[in-house]
Amino acid sequence: NFMLTQPHSVSESPGKTVTISCTRSSGSIASNYVQWYQQRPGSSPTTVIYEDNQRPSGVPDRFSGSIDSSSNSASLTISGLKTEDEADYYCQSYDSSNVIFGGGTKLTVL
Amino acid sequence: EVQLVQSGAEVKKPGESLKISCKGSGYSFTTYWIGWVRQMPGKGLEWMGIIYPGDSDTRYSPSFQGQVTISADKSITTAYLQWSSLKASDTAMYYCARRVGATEDFDYWGQGTLVTVSS
Repeated sequence: NFMLTQPHSVSESPGKTVTISCTRSSGSIASNYVQWYQQRPGSSPTTVIYEDNQRPSGVPDRFSGSIDSSSNSASLTISGLKTEDEADYYCQSYDSSNVIFGGGTKLTVL
Repeated sequence: EVQLVQSGAEVKKPGESLKISCKGSGYSFTTYWIGWVRQMPGKGLEWMGIIYPGDSDTRYSPSFQGQVTISADKSITTAYLQWSSLKASDTAMYYCARRVGATEDFDYWGQGTLVTVSS
């Protein structure tokens, strides 16, 4: 099995742009799609990015996803930060036998 | 409207058994996989396993294999997660979620069931 490593926390000011990384420990990041979930306190997770860079309907285009094979990582970028974006963000991927979540990143918008 | 509605919070003692549920509605229950995800207090998400209600094909995370049982009753569009002997370390929020496609994207989530195991 592989691991997905995320920074424990990031913080940025409203209106700015933040990028959260997710590094795969073994195997290629490009071999299986990456999803990103947002979890606000006391709520269930919701998808903000699926299949590396696709946005579900209703998710603003301020959210974007990408993968970088050279660093074997995925990234979630949120531009024009709003206070409502403050939440925990989890990357997720899979292999033939398991689904793996990253440890989560707490985004603070201050 | 797609909905996954989970059973209510539970307080149990170590060694007791438990079965929690997740009722799907608003879509074809038998044609989407349903997964279970654990979230221990203050911690991250952990995938436990998944079931295809159409034929009850079930897969488990190696971390949870043998620790829990996932099942489904398609006649009442409900998936289940059960323990035969709870431990204090099973204290957590448990979410069910619908998987869309083959890329492990969970597009709809239940509201969560809080399980507390304490003597």
